[in-house]
Amino acid sequence: NAGVTQTPKFQVLKTGQSMTLQCAQDMNHEYMSWYRQDPGMGLRLIHYSVGAGITDQGEVPNGYNVSRSTTEDFPLRLLSAAPSQTSVYFCASSYGGISNQPQHFGDGTRLSIL
Amino acid sequence: GENVEQHPSTLSVQEGDSAVIKCTYSDSASNYFPWYKQELGKRPQLIIDIRSNVGEKKDQRIAVTLNKTAKHFSLHITETQPEDSAVYFCAASTADSSYKLIFGSGTRLLVRP
Repeated sequence: NAGVTQTPKFQVLKTGQSMTLQCAQDMNHEYMSWYRQDPGMGLRLIHYSVGAGITDQGEVPNGYNVSRSTTEDFPLRLLSAAPSQTSVYFCASSYGGISNQPQHFGDGTRLSIL
Repeated sequence: GENVEQHPSTLSVQEGDSAVIKCTYSDSASNYFPWYKQELGKRPQLIIDIRSNVGEKKDQRIAVTLNKTAKHFSLHITETQPEDSAVYFCAASTADSSYKLIFGSGTRLLVRP
């Protein structure tokens, strides 16, 4: 199993450009989420999904869109990139069910907005 | 909403000593508390977790304790080794059914040889 796969690993954008960060998992996990990691601020939840067709906002959703058309994929879209979105982005997934299950993280995407 | 505070932000210990990292959470309904280790440039990796029906859990040199009344939980690493050097994050689940995690701001642990 590949686990959680994120692409690209690195990306540089200009202010105002749009792009999609890809996340795929092959563990049949119901729950998927996107975090951003900034120095000294830990991991902050952007958007999450509890299953195909269901998404919801996390702590810092502004400027980002998500969709969940399949169980495997959970792309994150930056609509109009801003320098404040320079960060490392992590996708994570876990089993659903009644109780919380460990979240498995991808390797991250390092995004710079100029 | 849920808030998680983590202390200290940096911790330096001598090899072989113990290290303790503490976190407090705000939502009394939180019931799941994982700890992640992140090496430089790598993904966060789960090292241990605890649920609210348990007060302590141990895995070799790593242990976690939970005090639900005080709403705090701690990570204990004994006999530290240089390879324990990393950033450690605590997290707490939210009260609703969405399995969201709120993370602490991290502790940078340095184990001096």
